[in-house]
Amino acid sequence: GEDVEQSLFLSVREGDSSVINCTYTDSSSTYLYWYKQEPGAGLQLLTYIFSNMDMKQDQRLTVLLNKKDKHLSLRIADTQTGDSAIYFCAEIPYGNNRLAFGKGNQVVVIP
Amino acid sequence: DGGITQSPKYLFRKEGQNVTLSCEQNLNHDAMYWYRQDPGQGLRLIYYSQIVNDFQKGDIAEGYSVSREKKESFPLTVTSAQKNPTAFYLCASTIGTDYYGYTFGSGTRLTVV
Repeated sequence: GEDVEQSLFLSVREGDSSVINCTYTDSSSTYLYWYKQEPGAGLQLLTYIFSNMDMKQDQRLTVLLNKKDKHLSLRIADTQTGDSAIYFCAEIPYGNNRLAFGKGNQVVVIP
Repeated sequence: DGGITQSPKYLFRKEGQNVTLSCEQNLNHDAMYWYRQDPGQGLRLIYYSQIVNDFQKGDIAEGYSVSREKKESFPLTVTSAQKNPTAFYLCASTIGTDYYGYTFGSGTRLTVV
């Protein structure tokens, strides 16, 4: 199946780290993605990770992948007000060229 | 600059009317997609097209129609058969190779009045 689960809401103080979690069910997924959506806008690709990797770091973003538990997380260091958005994880299961999205996690940064 | 352009940004429709949402890309991408977004429900796939003159139904195609006569363009028509069309509609495209992910337009908010 292509079920991607995410928790719904997270508030964090400016300057703290924030962690967003995602659970996927298709263990054959080759690529996993994190997208950011600001209010009233489209989705912006933040980062992606290949299934043969455990971790990927890109400036303030760290992606961790636990294939055994089918768990994906996104850590944002030094969270800023501009990080307030909805974050979606997504996967492309093996043999399927369609992205399957989670329901999104709204992050609110408190100044 | 390359990108995807969706128009209009806001659209109002009377009940019983068909409306067409525009999606144009100049990225030379092969595949294009239409998603519907409702609060708390994430993104649901309506239709997608991997090549000109071909398209497939997604998970919620009922009440919608599309065409793909040109590589650059993938318009979505919301027909009167769609019972609850008020939503945010997002168009996306990809070159076709998995790991590049999708590029999204800025969306069209459709409201039935």
